Amino acid sequence: ELKVEQNPLFLSMQEGKNYTIYCNYSTTSDRLYWYRQDPGKSLESLFVLLSNGAVKQEGRLMASLDTKARLSTLHITAAVHDLSATYFCVGSQGNLIFGKGTKLSVKP
Amino acid sequence: DTGVSQDPRHKITKRGQNVTFRCDPISEHNRLYWYRQTLGQGPEFLTYFQNEAQLEKSRLLSDRFSAERPKGSFSTLEIQRTEQGDSAMYLCASSVPRGPGNTIYFGEGSWLTVV
Repeated sequence: ELKVEQNPLFLSMQEGKNYTIYCNYSTTSDRLYWYRQDPGKSLESLFVLLSNGAVKQEGRLMASLDTKARLSTLHITAAVHDLSATYFCVGSQGNLIFGKGTKLSVKP
Repeated sequence: DTGVSQDPRHKITKRGQNVTFRCDPISEHNRLYWYRQTLGQGPEFLTYFQNEAQLEKSRLLSDRFSAERPKGSFSTLEIQRTEQGDSAMYLCASSVPRGPGNTIYFGEGSWLTVV
């Protein structure tokens, strides 16, 4: 059974700083997703990572995938307040298995 | 492309009543998922369909829950004899499996409050 673990679960950052969210998964996942969720809202797709070594970047966010280590990372560069949200790492075996999410708060 | 549409967006019901949620996926998306999310938690898988076939059901889906996708387009999720523990946001998502990037798109969710 696929399990997805994220850390940290809570992250308070200052604007302008860099940080990385880690996602470990327990068994083979045919792809790895990152989603963003704002309070009371639905889920916004950020990245889909398909293969080992995949790296994708969008603005201040960069995601990577190491299938051998069963590890994905979401790196935040020069954080801004608008990035405050909950970020989910999601594995896939047909259905989607979500991590618990990382609640990010970016403070001035 | 109007996105994944869910209805109703909010529902308040008395314990013991039945409720039904509807999901209209993105046109030509043949895979459709249902998830449940409670406050402060990540979404939990309930079930998914490939066209009209229900391919997998979670252990969370008790016999009070039933989902259908009769013609492979829209889907309904019915909860019978609701309990307070059913209060949650019910999320629907759709995708084209193995499509380019294979992004899975989520609807805005249907909030259920059982009083």
